[in-house]
Amino acid sequence: GESVGLHLPTLSVQEGDNSIINCAYSNSASDYFIWYKQESGKGPQFIIDIRSNMDKRQGQRVTVLLNKTVKHLSLQIAATQPGDSAVYFCAELSGNTPLVFGKGTRLSVIA
Amino acid sequence: EPEVTQTPSHQVTQMGQEVILRCVPISNHLYFYWYRQILGQKVEFLVSFYNNEISEKSEIFDDQFSVERPDGSNFTLKIRSTKLEDSAMYFCASNFRAGNQPQHFGDGTRLSIL
Repeated sequence: GESVGLHLPTLSVQEGDNSIINCAYSNSASDYFIWYKQESGKGPQFIIDIRSNMDKRQGQRVTVLLNKTVKHLSLQIAATQPGDSAVYFCAELSGNTPLVFGKGTRLSVIA
Repeated sequence: EPEVTQTPSHQVTQMGQEVILRCVPISNHLYFYWYRQILGQKVEFLVSFYNNEISEKSEIFDDQFSVERPDGSNFTLKIRSTKLEDSAMYFCASNFRAGNQPQHFGDGTRLSIL
């Protein structure tokens, strides 16, 4: 079946290092992708999105890369800070279909 | 920055009872959603709502569930005859239009069925 999944369930990084969180998707019809950050006790918080006609998009300290050939999405966080510790979800959408979330990766920042 | 607000933050209910979870979406948004997240699992879509009717629903959203927009600001999820397995975080989300636009989420209601 079609699914959105993550390669690594947990990631630990030193403060100041760059983080890379990966996501695989299997629905080739998906045309919109979002990264969400979820802190403990909070709802998913929008970080960055990318449409399928792009392969890279940058925000403040974050970059999303999309490789449609291998159906892979990644989130890069530059100079990771303790406040970046959270669970990160990728989500995909095809047309007006509901958002499909991946399982999440827990990012732990070591001070 | 405008945000989606949900009440209560925590709801404890006896099995078999009915619960109503409340949400106030962002004021100019037109599309509304409910999601569920069982502890430690991914966020799962329940239902989307537009123009006062359900536009899509998942297999989870069976006859036990209903949604309503009783006035111009609130969006509610009613769960009848609650079961132990209904225990989860329930998130409301909204956006201005469907399709390629991020949905904005509230902080959720933790529902605990005893």
